[in-house]
Amino acid sequence: DTGVSQNPRHKITKRGQNVTFRCDPISEHNRLYWYRQTLGQGPEFLTYFQNEAQLEKSRLLSDRFSAERPKGSFSTLEIQRTEQGDSAMYLCASSPRWGQNYGYTFGSGTRLTVV
Amino acid sequence: AQSVSQHNHHVILSEAASLELGCNYSYGGTVNLFWYVQYPGQHLQLLLKYFSGDPLVKGIKGFEAEFIKSKFSFNLRKPSVQWSDTAEYFCAVTPNRDDKIIFGKGTRLHILP
Repeated sequence: DTGVSQNPRHKITKRGQNVTFRCDPISEHNRLYWYRQTLGQGPEFLTYFQNEAQLEKSRLLSDRFSAERPKGSFSTLEIQRTEQGDSAMYLCASSPRWGQNYGYTFGSGTRLTVV
Repeated sequence: AQSVSQHNHHVILSEAASLELGCNYSYGGTVNLFWYVQYPGQHLQLLLKYFSGDPLVKGIKGFEAEFIKSKFSFNLRKPSVQWSDTAEYFCAVTPNRDDKIIFGKGTRLHILP
């Protein structure tokens, strides 16, 4: 068990470009969560999956954001036409089915800087 | 609005001092409660959690937290802090046993050696 892995660790992109992040959860965890964290704030919920099904999306997740988990294993988060306000740390976490009972295991995050 | 509130944004203590970090939530009904810690340069780690039963919960590294339902509080405590406790601490709640965890804004703790 190598924990939750996120790639890349850092991403610098120009405004208007598309970016994609990847998360590999703990293999036996069927729930996967995406959060966003900006300076001075706690992590903010974006979306979560149970296996390949996306069960909930936050209002924070605009039409420019899309997340997938095609085979119920790894997940990708894509941001289209990036804006400076998208600069943040994007966190992925995973849990067994009843994650609210156990807490999540977080990855180290992908830090996005939009210039 | 429903939320998780952490009273102190930045706390500075000397080693061996006692610690209490406040957390209040505004969700009704049944909740699960968590404290997470993020050491410098590391990922978020679960410090302790409350699900049911004894409202005094003990976690790793000598931390404990007390759930007081009537006060909607889940304060984190440690009798004697160490320099290695320097980190950011996040209180978190799953409201109504929901599927997602809602985090507070965090408290940055700095321990002076």
